[in-house]
Amino acid sequence: NAGVMQNPRHLVRRRGQEARLRCSPMKGHSHVYWYRQLPEEGLKFMVYLQKENIIDESGMPKERFSAEFPKEGPSILRIQQVVRGDSAAYFCASSPDRGDSNQPQHFGDGTRLSIL
Amino acid sequence: AQSVTQPDIHITVSEGASLELRCNYSYGATPYLFWYVQSPGQGLQLLLKYFSGDTLVQGIKGFEAEFKRSQSSFNLRKPSVHWSDAAEYFCAVAAVSGTYKYIFGTGTRLKVLA
Repeated sequence: NAGVMQNPRHLVRRRGQEARLRCSPMKGHSHVYWYRQLPEEGLKFMVYLQKENIIDESGMPKERFSAEFPKEGPSILRIQQVVRGDSAAYFCASSPDRGDSNQPQHFGDGTRLSIL
Repeated sequence: AQSVTQPDIHITVSEGASLELRCNYSYGATPYLFWYVQSPGQGLQLLLKYFSGDTLVQGIKGFEAEFKRSQSSFNLRKPSVHWSDAAEYFCAVAAVSGTYKYIFGTGTRLKVLA
């Protein structure tokens, strides 16, 4: 009964490279959320996706960041041309529905992104 | 705008002592409220949640929390702390504009003395 799976757990990139973070939701969950946690801060909402649809990307930086959740396969958070300020822990969460019922979001262990 | 405040950045307690972690929120209506725990290098584990009904909520690992509408608070408590409870604790609310958008406090780091 696997939970939310994120990989890689740690990712190191040089400035200007691309970072790809993957998230497989819990079995039976079709709603995925991405959050970013900067050092010494709480998590900040980035984007909410359902299969093949971006529902809310109000927390995503306007440039360099994109997310997808294809019909088959994991959700991907993509950061192009990374900069030092992108260093953070990125968490994925999933839920079986939109969250209006008694079904909280379940979180993965995160990807720690370090930019050299 | 909705916000969550955890006024205590660090708390240190002795093993066996009682614990209360504070959480205050700013919200226009009764929110969905959550407490999560994060061990170093790990993800967030849900301790308990409040959606409606009984304002005293029981969670896992012996934790409980009480929703007080008049004080806009959702404090987390445990009667006797164990060394394994040392971790960071986050309070969160589900936002007005979409219950899927959780708003987190900045966390309280708990240290337990043997």
